[in-house]
Amino acid sequence: EVQLVQSGAEVKKPGESLKISCKGSGYSFTSYWIGWVRQMPGKGLEWMGIIYPGDSDTRYSPSFQGQVTISADKSISTAYLQWSSLKASDTAMYYCARPGVDTAMAPFDYWGQGTLVTVSS
Amino acid sequence: EIVMTQSPATLSVSPGERATLSCRASQSVSSNLAWYQQKPGQAPRLLIYGASTRATGIPARFSGSGSGTEFTLTISSLQSEDFAVYYCQQYNNWPHFGQGTKLEIK
Repeated sequence: EVQLVQSGAEVKKPGESLKISCKGSGYSFTSYWIGWVRQMPGKGLEWMGIIYPGDSDTRYSPSFQGQVTISADKSISTAYLQWSSLKASDTAMYYCARPGVDTAMAPFDYWGQGTLVTVSS
Repeated sequence: EIVMTQSPATLSVSPGERATLSCRASQSVSSNLAWYQQKPGQAPRLLIYGASTRATGIPARFSGSGSGTEFTLTISSLQSEDFAVYYCQQYNNWPHFGQGTKLEIK
């Protein structure tokens, strides 16, 4: 069974850094892309970017390029989303998700449970 | 950037009736269109991909149609568990979601 398990909720102050995680299991972690999706409070879904853990090939939506960093550690089957300097506008639920096929531009069949990030002074 | 526009924003339908949700792309996305369902406090769930193919385990009352720029999700006979927010997503190039349609009980 494919599972994506995300790290727990975070409360941070503006300007702080943060790295959240997504651990994959039940499949070959290096053979499928893993993406990140943002959902701001009461709003819709936004595709942020995606990484291929096999070779760390990473694609960012133009809207998120330079704002976040996506990485992966294939030795522990974990993908990451990180910020170097958080803003209040980064407050959102963040989901990791995996396509059902080994293609970057594909729908997400599998989803993590979400990580709520709250940025407040 | 391809903009996805869903209509209506809110749809009120009675249980047992049919619901029709629309999604329009600002330029052709061929059949690279997916539909998701999201319930409060839950992650989205993939319903349809390739514009018309149901994902694994999705009931037959959900159907998708369309190609190019105009797409439709139809729920043939609404069950109580179907009331949720529905998103379309194009993945022809940089994936983008629509803003969502809230399906509520009439």
